[in-house]
Amino acid sequence: GEDVEQSLFLSVREGDSSVINCTYTDSSSTYLYWYKQEPGAGLQLLTYIFSNMDMKQDQRLTVLLNKKDKHLSLRIADTQTGDSAIYFCAEISNYGGATNKLIFGTGTLLAVQP
Amino acid sequence: EAGVAQSPRYKIIEKRQSVAFWCNPISGHATLYWYQQILGQGPKLLIQFQNNGVVDDSQLPKDRFSAERLKGVDSTLKIQPAKLEDSAVYLCASSLDRGSNEQFFGPGTRLTVL
Repeated sequence: GEDVEQSLFLSVREGDSSVINCTYTDSSSTYLYWYKQEPGAGLQLLTYIFSNMDMKQDQRLTVLLNKKDKHLSLRIADTQTGDSAIYFCAEISNYGGATNKLIFGTGTLLAVQP
Repeated sequence: EAGVAQSPRYKIIEKRQSVAFWCNPISGHATLYWYQQILGQGPKLLIQFQNNGVVDDSQLPKDRFSAERLKGVDSTLKIQPAKLEDSAVYLCASSLDRGSNEQFFGPGTRLTVL
């Protein structure tokens, strides 16, 4: 079945790197995503990675994908207080088929201490 | 480019009452999604539209939830009658087409059922 798991909470100091981890079960997932949700706001797409890649870098964000272990991580360099939010990992189910719904993890609350 | 618009932002009702939410997707986006996000969980797909047709409503509790997208643009989601467990944030998202791998989310409607 489809399941995405994340740790619930991560606390870091401003200026340090943050690493948020995620595991998924659907080996046919073609795209994997990281979304950010600030209090009272919708979901903001941060970045995504195609399944034939193992790394993607976008400014302060680095995504690592280990397909063998079905493990995805998001590294935020030089974490700022404005990065404090809930981060959701998601996989796309049945991409290219009739439906392409996102399957989300439970979210990781990132708290950045000044 | 304007994002996905939703209204109202907040709604408080008593159980057994009815409620409706409205979503206007990004202009030109053919695919529209409604997700339900219960506190402490990731969003879960309720229904997906392609233009004015339903692609996937397998997770929609059809005894009380209904949704329409009559002209293939904006959409309404209705709950009648509401239950306590319907308290959640209802997120609308859109994508260019169902083959697109990017979904863009609105700010959500926070529903509280008392």
